[in-house]
Amino acid sequence: DIVLTQAPLSVSVTPGESASISCRSSKSLLSSKGITSLYWYLQRPGKSPQLLIYQMSNLASGVPDRFSSSGSETDFTLKISKVETEDVGVYYCGHRLEYPPTFGSGTKLEIK
Amino acid sequence: QIQLVQSGPELKKPGESVKISCKASGYTFTNYGMYWVKQAPGQGLQYMGWINTETGKPTYADDFKGRFVFFLETSASTAYLQINNLKNEDMATYFCARNNNFDYWGQGVMVTVSS
Repeated sequence: DIVLTQAPLSVSVTPGESASISCRSSKSLLSSKGITSLYWYLQRPGKSPQLLIYQMSNLASGVPDRFSSSGSETDFTLKISKVETEDVGVYYCGHRLEYPPTFGSGTKLEIK
Repeated sequence: QIQLVQSGPELKKPGESVKISCKASGYTFTNYGMYWVKQAPGQGLQYMGWINTETGKPTYADDFKGRFVFFLETSASTAYLQINNLKNEDMATYFCARNNNFDYWGQGVMVTVSS
């Protein structure tokens, strides 16, 4: 199975500043169709996860453009610009390249 | 709007069975697969498998073969997860999610296993 390693485990951010979360894959997530199969999800406290980013860099519907994602075939970064209090929660990366899909262990974002 | 509404929390004893529902609305149910994800208390997300809503064929991740069953009631746009012979390690929140992007999620069902 593909292993996704996230860093840091937690990050504390002042509102209005930026935050970055890293996700490293044990295998290239570039598919034969040229799509990078990397996804980002946010799980707010007590809520279900929500899709933020699909196929490495595409914003999901309704997600503010303060969120962005980029990367290579194995190393990825989620950037949150101008962090707001509603951004608090655990961020997970995940892949859909092959079976089974796996998730990173999560990065907790807190507000200072 | 697209919604996945799951059934309520469950309290079960070891060895019992539990059936969790996931009712979809706001889209054509059979156009998208339904996926299941487990989250143990304080832990991350674990993929359990999925069911093809067009054919009813389930596919289980290795850790979920045997006691776990996915099935459908297509006429009601509802997917089900049944867990048989419950064990302590099944205590978790179970989510359904639409599509292989997991683009919409149910609110989750907390299953407590306690004697």
